[in-house]
Parts: sequence; structure tokens; C-alpha cells
Amino acid sequence: DSGVTQTPKHLITATGQRVTLRCSPRSGDLSVYWYQQSLDQGLQFLIQYYNGEERAKGNILERFSAQQFPDLHSELNLSSLELGDSALYFCASSATISGTDTQYFGPGTRLTVL
Amino acid sequence: DAKTTQPPSMDCAEGRAANLPCNHSTISGNEYVYWYRQIHSQGPQYIIHGLKNNETNEMASLIITEDRKSSTLILPHATLRDTAVYYCIVRVSSSNTGKLIFGQGTTLQVKP
Repeated sequence: DSGVTQTPKHLITATGQRVTLRCSPRSGDLSVYWYQQSLDQGLQFLIQYYNGEERAKGNILERFSAQQFPDLHSELNLSSLELGDSALYFCASSATISGTDTQYFGPGTRLTVL
Repeated sequence: DAKTTQPPSMDCAEGRAANLPCNHSTISGNEYVYWYRQIHSQGPQYIIHGLKNNETNEMASLIITEDRKSSTLILPHATLRDTAVYYCIVRVSSSNTGKLIFGQGTTLQVKP
């Protein structure tokens, strides 16, 4: 158990819909990362928040957005869903933003868009 | 961040040492080598990291060549539970973002 929790574990929805994925970082960790893993793209970094502020962006679509709340949990919002958005979404956390901080990953949310 | 090259797949007999190579010939002096693994769609799991010295922890050993252009992750006594995709990642220590850039990794199959 990494200490990072993600809900829900599974999500099935239809094209055009909007969903919210939730992540609670390890106790004391200030940085939260979101990653997407699809069959054809592998594990890809989406976005990072540090202490409530956006820190880095990767290959995140404009239809996707995220935020980190004062209690440090984070939410990833996916809208106007397409079939290709079906993937595993992982959240990870680390203590700070240092490039040497270990990242701990949650169990993921499996999103299926029908 | 430097790019890494890993073999796509490897087999290992249960109980034997698994040696997973990684090439990072363009690594810079301030870049660390990290290893993560992912067991069948679970969240990636941190294994070990190092800068230039060899490192060992309860999970594995990391051997980095003197020129730092390659490294080897060693699982001393592989078990069936070590079957996973292993990712070698190079990270800049001074980076103000800790994002991880994953490659394709090596799929290790431990066989009985």
C-alpha cells in the first residue's frame, strides 16, 4: 500500500459525458501528479500540482482539467469524453517538487468510455 | 531528461538473479537513474535510484557503470511475483518538477 488513494476504481460512462477522478496523496506530500496509461501510448504524464498550484503540464488535452484543494487532495476532470479516453489514470504524490523525491503511485482508476 | 533504452522483454528462472539492463548514454552529471516497476495494471512501484554509486535496498541492487552511460537493476532471487514491466528513468536532480517520463520498459517474465 503506497498510501495514495484513488476513487473510483472503475468508471464506465458514455461518449460526451464528464467525469471526475479523485486522488488523496500520502500524508504530508505536497505534490500530486496525474498520469494516463492507454494501450497504445503507455504511461504519460498529464499534469502536476504543488501545494495547490499547477507546476507542470504534459500531454494533457484541453478537455481535461485538474485542481488541488487546500487539503491537498486533487481531482482530474475529463469532459466531452471520447472512446480514446478509455485508459488507466494514475495519481502519484511526492513530498516536494524536487527531482529526487520518490513518487508513490495510487492503484489507479480504470475509465471505460462506451 | 536523458533518454533510456531497455530490451522489450526478458525471462528469468524463479530463484535466479534477474539482471535488467538500461542504456542512458546521454545522461548528464546531475541526472539520477530511477527504477520503477508495474505489476499487471497496478500503480507503478518505486524500486531504487542512484547517481553514480552502486545502491542496494531490500528490493534490489542498482549497478551504474563508471561512465554512467548504462546501469543494471538486479533482483537477487527472482520470484513469480517479480513478473512485471520494469522502467528505467533518468531524472534531473535540480528539476523544479518531479514528473516522470516513462519509456516502454522491459517486461520481465519469471518462470517456475
